[in-house]
Amino acid sequence: NAGVMQNPRHLVRRRGQEARLRCSPMKGHSHVYWYRQLPEEGLKFMVYLQKENIIDESGMPKERFSAEFPKEGPSILRIQQVVRGDSAAYFCASSPEGVSTDTQYFGPGTRLTVL
Amino acid sequence: AQKVTQAQTEISVVEKEDVTLDCVYETRDTTYYLFWYKQPPSGELVFLIRRNSFDEQNEISGRYSWNFQKSTSSFNFTITASQVVDSAVYFCALSTQETSGSRLTFGEGTQLTVNP
Repeated sequence: NAGVMQNPRHLVRRRGQEARLRCSPMKGHSHVYWYRQLPEEGLKFMVYLQKENIIDESGMPKERFSAEFPKEGPSILRIQQVVRGDSAAYFCASSPEGVSTDTQYFGPGTRLTVL
Repeated sequence: AQKVTQAQTEISVVEKEDVTLDCVYETRDTTYYLFWYKQPPSGELVFLIRRNSFDEQNEISGRYSWNFQKSTSSFNFTITASQVVDSAVYFCALSTQETSGSRLTFGEGTQLTVNP
């Protein structure tokens, strides 16, 4: 039973380029969460999605960042016109029912480096 | 609002010592869930335990034990007879019914180094 999959594991972009991070939840999970871990810091919530719906994007920067979780395929976190401050580890987690009793299981993360 | 505080930024011990990682949380909700995750040097996040606010029983799993005390809003984690492989960053996290889904609020993490 595969866990949460994220790809790529490492991504290097130059300033101004776009970054696309993908996340496939665990089998049977339809709720996806994205978190960002800046260097030497804890994880900060970004966005919570169900299939085809954004439920809570209160942690997303207002500009350049977007997320989707289509009916088919993985969840995508998209960062447009990246800047050096976007360099971080981005973690995806999934849970089965989207209730507070759920346990979230995390993917291995995508390390984004902006040159 | 929810908050998790891990006051210990870094801890260094010698192998076989016992070590306790502190976690203090804040929430107005009466129903909430507390978690510990481990982040080894390889970078992934490994789930260790979940505890709900109605269950104050302490839990032991091998060399790991957790002490949940609602009176002090703490959920501390003890590793007995530490080993080098325990070296990692440990995160305490909180979810409540106030927040959407099972969204987690994390502490800043404690870097544990176990020296041979």
